[in-house]
Amino acid sequence: NAGVTQTPKFRVLKTGQSMTLLCAQDMNHEYMYWYRQDPGMGLRLIHYSVGEGTTAKGEVPDGYNVSRLKKQNFLLGLESAAPSQTSVYFCASSYRGIHQPQHFGDGTRLSIL
Amino acid sequence: GQNIDQPTEMTATEGAIVQINCTYQTSGFNGLFWYQQHAGEAPTFLSYNVLDGLEEKGRFSSFLSRSKGYSYLLLKELQMKDSASYLCAVMDSNYQLIWGAGTKLIIKP
Repeated sequence: NAGVTQTPKFRVLKTGQSMTLLCAQDMNHEYMYWYRQDPGMGLRLIHYSVGEGTTAKGEVPDGYNVSRLKKQNFLLGLESAAPSQTSVYFCASSYRGIHQPQHFGDGTRLSIL
Repeated sequence: GQNIDQPTEMTATEGAIVQINCTYQTSGFNGLFWYQQHAGEAPTFLSYNVLDGLEEKGRFSSFLSRSKGYSYLLLKELQMKDSASYLCAVMDSNYQLIWGAGTKLIIKP
């Protein structure tokens, strides 16, 4: 029962470096999401996907790109990291349906120096 | 704009009852979720309300009043393990979740 798995769990980057955060789910969920969580603020949606091969922008998409080539995987990319992107990143997935709860991974703690 | 308001922090005593309030102003309403998040961990789903009234699930209950833009989470028989942040989230007309900043609940013996 892995659920939603995120890698890596921790990472420190220098300004301008790039990296990809990986998210995998084994629950056959159609929908997947990337959020960031900052102190004193609610979770903010970066990008989401309603199915394989489709992605859409959320509330704070600038500076991030995503891809969903396989149903079970959702990748979040930072092309040129900035200190403002220091945050905890959560991936989540859910079945289709407005009442369906989202299931979260354990998060990736990312620091940009 | 869209807004979810929750108290930042609450303190309660083990064995007691606590009510965590959430008020919202969103563009449309497709349901309200409550999640629990222990420090350093992932949020986990507690409840979903879309109709007015009280939903009971063991020690936890959630109430919704759509006309007042108001919900609360009621925790009974508090245990030390209930120390966590409680997140309120509303699904708006675009079917996206708008999240509150969370209420940190501290349980004292």
